[in-house]
Amino acid sequence: KQEVTQIPAALSVPEGENLVLNCSFTDSAIYNLQWFRQDPGKGLTSLLLIQSSQREQTSGRLNASLDKSSGRSTLYIAASQPGDSATYLCAVNDYKLSFGAGTTVTVRA
Amino acid sequence: GAGVSQSPSNKVTEKGKDVELRCDPISGHTALYWYRQSLGQGLEFLIYFQGNSAPDKSGLPSDRFSAERTGGSVSTLTIQRTQQEDSAVYLCASSLNGGRAGFEQFFGPGTRLTVL
Repeated sequence: KQEVTQIPAALSVPEGENLVLNCSFTDSAIYNLQWFRQDPGKGLTSLLLIQSSQREQTSGRLNASLDKSSGRSTLYIAASQPGDSATYLCAVNDYKLSFGAGTTVTVRA
Repeated sequence: GAGVSQSPSNKVTEKGKDVELRCDPISGHTALYWYRQSLGQGLEFLIYFQGNSAPDKSGLPSDRFSAERTGGSVSTLTIQRTQQEDSAVYLCASSLNGGRAGFEQFFGPGTRLTVL
């Protein structure tokens, strides 16, 4: 069974600092990995998808890396803003998504 | 519509009653998924539909849970004889294709179910 772990569980940083969110998974037989954002009481917003053949994916201030062989992905958010405060979830896709528990980010103004 | 829609957004029911939750996927998406998000279990997979194939029900927690997908589009998740532990947010997602295609999944806003 796929196990997905996200570290840290919570993170608080001052505005402008870069964010580094970690995700690890136990089974490398995946098709892709998705990073999501979830605001309180809301659904999931897809941020980035990295196919298993890719090493990196970028969208604006967001950059995600994938090392499938070691079972790791990292989401970098540059120059954080208070609007980045949310819970970030990673999910690995082996036809269904297996989610980590998430990292709750607070960006202080 | 532009995205995945779900109804109702909130549902409060009494223990022992049956409930139906509805999902409208993105037009043209052949794959549809149901997930559940609860405080104790996080986000977990429930069931997966791909086209006209038999659904993958491997994530359903008990035989009180069932789902169907009519005409390859709208899906209904039914929970019979609800229990308090069924209280959770039920999320629906769709993708252009499923299985080994590894397409991006897009999520609806969810239905918050509260069982009293």
